[in-house]
Amino acid sequence: EDKVVQSPLSLVVHEGDTVTLNCSYEVTNFRSLLWYKQEKKAPTFLFMLTSSGIEKKSGRLSSILDKKELFSILNITATQTGDSAVYLCAVDTGNQFYFGTGTSLTVIP
Amino acid sequence: DSGVTQTPKHLITATGQRVTLRCSPRSGDLSVYWYQQSLDQGLQFLIQYYNGEERAKGNILERFSAQQFPDLHSELNLSSLELGDSALYFCASSPGASLSDNSPLHFGNGTRLTVT
Repeated sequence: EDKVVQSPLSLVVHEGDTVTLNCSYEVTNFRSLLWYKQEKKAPTFLFMLTSSGIEKKSGRLSSILDKKELFSILNITATQTGDSAVYLCAVDTGNQFYFGTGTSLTVIP
Repeated sequence: DSGVTQTPKHLITATGQRVTLRCSPRSGDLSVYWYQQSLDQGLQFLIQYYNGEERAKGNILERFSAQQFPDLHSELNLSSLELGDSALYFCASSPGASLSDNSPLHFGNGTRLTVT
């Protein structure tokens, strides 16, 4: 059975801290891995990763994929209160996207 | 704004009733996907339509059905509602038929359904 597992389930940090979110997967057919940020409404797209070892970066956020070990990490440096959200990882198998249950991040001022 | 429009935003109804959720995809997108997000659950894929035809089916109950119309908007019909159907229902769209296009999904803001 295809599955995507995210950890931790939730974390609380202070502004300025750096956090690392994890996403591991087991799927029969891997095409890409995507990260989304979900605040109170629609998940918004952050990154798509298809190749191992190539870091994608956007401001304070970065992500990398390891296709051998079947995981990805999302790093957020110098966190801000606006980073508080649920971060979702999804794997595209070509037939559908499998989502993890998300990591809830709370950044305290 | 993702360009995906979902209505209504909130829906409260009683058990046993039937509701219809509506979704308009981004301009130019031909695929529409429906997802269910329950409390403490990840996004569960329900069904995908491409250009009016059912493309892929996930964990969709028999009490649920969907369709995509010629103007590409889609409706998700939920019938014989149960308390456990209370959830956030998201619609997403993408340009292509196959997800191998490597195009990310763009989500609407969701419809929150509460069954009492």
